[in-house]
Amino acid sequence: DQQVKQNSPSLSVQEGRISILNCDYTNSMFDYFLWYKKYPAEGPTFLISISSIKDKNEDGRFTVFLNKSAKHLSLHIVPSQPGDSAVYFCAASAHYGGSQGNLIFGKGTKLSVKP
Amino acid sequence: DARVTQTPRHKVTEMGQEVTMRCQPILGHNTVFWYRQTMMQGLELLAYFRNRAPLDDSGMPKDRFSAEMPDATLATLKIQPSEPRDSAVYFCASGSGVSTEAFFGQGTRLTVV
Repeated sequence: DQQVKQNSPSLSVQEGRISILNCDYTNSMFDYFLWYKKYPAEGPTFLISISSIKDKNEDGRFTVFLNKSAKHLSLHIVPSQPGDSAVYFCAASAHYGGSQGNLIFGKGTKLSVKP
Repeated sequence: DARVTQTPRHKVTEMGQEVTMRCQPILGHNTVFWYRQTMMQGLELLAYFRNRAPLDDSGMPKDRFSAEMPDATLATLKIQPSEPRDSAVYFCASGSGVSTEAFFGQGTRLTVV
């Protein structure tokens, strides 16, 4: 039973437009959410995160939105660039006693940004 | 330049052979994760250690997989005997245990023929 779901395996966007990647989760104990980016033949690299006490976090062209009532988060990339083409993984974690718990990942969404 | 180091980067082995993958976490990190990436399952958590003690290895097939941390600078993942269905990319990641971000190595691509 998947606790973190990315229902779109792929997304294609034109350069300069907005990319929106979506993620749903089922475990209400999750209190921290992250997005990772992965290029072929490399390990995932951390992109941006959000705590459950916030509903938005922005870092340059990347913004993550969290809707706790819907158990849904999204990553917005504006404007999209060809170098953003990669697989994006959503991940979630629960803290227990102040310490990081498991980091659970979705299956990823492959983003293609076309020039 | 702090990074997670995994060896080997590539491994091809015959079915039934033992495979050992190694990971050197970032110095000072006390949390280590092992993940397996497949096309069908994405990034599956296999095992998770804090301060060298296993906290969760429920994602690992116990009959053939084992994960250990002989010391704070080395984590190992062993498969014995290996099977073709074990073919995947295996990632190690480390974290500080308080901060949530985990930092990944470049992975070991395992092919079992």
